[in-house]
Amino acid sequence: EVQLVQSGAEVKKPGESLKISCKGSGYSFTSYWIGWVRQMPGKGLEWMGIIYPGDSDTRYSPSFQGQVTISADKSISTAYLQWSSLKASDTAMYYCARHRTPYSGYDNFDYWGQGTLVTVSS
Amino acid sequence: EIVLTQSPGTLSLSPGERATLSCRASQSVRSSHLAWYQQKPGQAPRLLIYGASSRATGIPDRFSGSGSGTDFTLTISRLEPEDFAVYYCQQYGSSPPITFGQGTRLEIK
Repeated sequence: EVQLVQSGAEVKKPGESLKISCKGSGYSFTSYWIGWVRQMPGKGLEWMGIIYPGDSDTRYSPSFQGQVTISADKSISTAYLQWSSLKASDTAMYYCARHRTPYSGYDNFDYWGQGTLVTVSS
Repeated sequence: EIVLTQSPGTLSLSPGERATLSCRASQSVRSSHLAWYQQKPGQAPRLLIYGASSRATGIPDRFSGSGSGTDFTLTISRLEPEDFAVYYCQQYGSSPPITFGQGTRLEIK
């Protein structure tokens, strides 16, 4: 069974750093691109970027380039999303999700993690 | 960047009725790389349709997708109580960013 399990909710202060995780299981982790999607409170879905764990090739939305870093450790089948200096406007639910087609860099998402709620408040 | 505009913003219907949701792109979507997702409160989105018209695994046949170019439609033939949710379209045919529509809320009338 394919599963993406995300790390738990986080409460942080502005200016702090954070790294959240997404562990894949039940499939070949290095064969499928994994993406991150932001959902701000009461709002829609925003595509942040994707990574191919096989070689760590990464693509970002221009809106998020330079604001976050996406990485992966294929030895433990885990993808990451990190911030070096959080802002209150980073408060949101963050989902990881897997591309439906192996090796395809342009695809939809067929499996999703349960989401990680990040709250940034002083 | 391809902008997707969904209409209507909110659709109020009764169980058993037919729902028609629209997604219009600001430029042609390559190879009909258009997907639809359903999201219920407190849950992650679920893939319904990909390639504009192919149902994802396990999706009931009351859900269907159509369209090409810049105009796409999600149809739910006979609404079940569990279908009331928010629906998003997504285009994945162009270079980053992949984009989502702003969503259509399907509510019980």
